[in-house]
Amino acid sequence: SQTIHQWPATLVQPVGSPLSLECTVEGTSNPNLYWYRQAAGRGLQLLFYSVGIGQISSEVPQNLSASRPQDRQFILSSKKLLLSDSGFYLCAWSSSKEQYFGPGTRLTVT
Amino acid sequence: TQLLEQSPQFLSIQEGENLTVYCNSSSVFSSLQWYRQEPGEGPVLLVTVVTGGEVKKLKRLTFQFGDARKDSSLHITAAQPGDTGLYLCAGERHVDSSYKLIFGSGTRLLVRP
Repeated sequence: SQTIHQWPATLVQPVGSPLSLECTVEGTSNPNLYWYRQAAGRGLQLLFYSVGIGQISSEVPQNLSASRPQDRQFILSSKKLLLSDSGFYLCAWSSSKEQYFGPGTRLTVT
Repeated sequence: TQLLEQSPQFLSIQEGENLTVYCNSSSVFSSLQWYRQEPGEGPVLLVTVVTGGEVKKLKRLTFQFGDARKDSSLHITAAQPGDTGLYLCAGERHVDSSYKLIFGSGTRLLVRP
């Protein structure tokens, strides 16, 4: 069966510091991968998606970037965090219509 | 920009009551999915509806896709405290070789015992 992992689970970082969030998927090959951000108790905003290694599509202009160095690894990064980058970050994978989400990373920028 | 609007945004009901959550858009979607999310966790897929007018039942939950595939509803019968959570609808779009989901803003449900 397929599983998706995210780490860290929680992160507190100062403004201006770098960021690296990692997402890995097991049990499937060549999945589509997605990064979302969720404001407290609200819907999900799509940040990036990838259909293959090295292929990244960005949805909104922002302070973040994404990379896919391996088939089942998706990384979300920032060189300098802003206060507005705080939020709940979710990674998801899909092979068809449905998307399956990881447990999320709670990021607090102070 | 496609927009999915969910209503109500927040619902607090007594155990045993029935409720309906709505998801509306001016755009047509290939399919529509409903997710349930608990605090601090990722959303969990409940159902996918594909055909206009389709109705799917999952125990006490009934999902319907509008005839024009622009809207959907989730009806819960005899709500229980375990139904508490954030309910999200998401419409599917095809972009290149990928599927993108447009999420609604969510309905937060609280079922009081």
